[in-house]
Amino acid sequence: QLQLQESGPGLVKPSETLSLTCTVSGGSISSSSYYWGWIRQPPGKGLEWIGSIYYSGSTSYNPSLKSRVTISVDTSKNQLSLKLSSVTAADTAVYYCARRMEYSSGAYWDYWGQGTLVTVSS
Amino acid sequence: QSALTQPASVSGSPGQSITISCTGTSSDVGSFNLVSWYQQHPGKAPKLMIYEVSKRPSGVSNRFSGSKSGNKASLTISGLQAEDEADYYCCSYAGSSTVVFGGGTKLTVL
Repeated sequence: QLQLQESGPGLVKPSETLSLTCTVSGGSISSSSYYWGWIRQPPGKGLEWIGSIYYSGSTSYNPSLKSRVTISVDTSKNQLSLKLSSVTAADTAVYYCARRMEYSSGAYWDYWGQGTLVTVSS
Repeated sequence: QSALTQPASVSGSPGQSITISCTGTSSDVGSFNLVSWYQQHPGKAPKLMIYEVSKRPSGVSNRFSGSKSGNKASLTISGLQAEDEADYYCCSYAGSSTVVFGGGTKLTVL
């Protein structure tokens, strides 16, 4: 059974960089047919797609966040990572990592991590 | 890239049917039969309920069904049960490996 687990600091100061890691177990992050991504949810609000990455390293980002986001994969550790720079209180959210089927297979998110709350505050 | 439009809330009594709409544009919902729906209970991760507009993953009740017409997708839940009370989100592929979520709909079972 595929499992995803987010990890990283729960508190980040304004203007600093938020860094999270997602460890994938029970399957390989290098498998074709899948994208891996980050989705966030501010407290009491809806889901927002942050970005996705293919195992080859090809990335796509939400245009509204693109200038501040970097997503990468470490296939040797079966991990993906998220870096979000110049954070403000508006970036406070639960951050989820998830697996997405590629376009030709439906483009849906089938496995999700449990999520990790990141608070931006001084 | 704007969020897909969903009603903020819907409600229904046990046994009834409800429908949640998800309105996008010709660049996302209207261009691809790649709409998925997710159920989220408080404090939990989203769960896939419908993919490719109308397909159900293994293990999802056949009380859940999906459809699409033009730029609008819909999720219908029949035979409402108390356990269906949750937030529901639609998501559409939007081209160039991007996706967009709806704003979410809170379903209350009366």
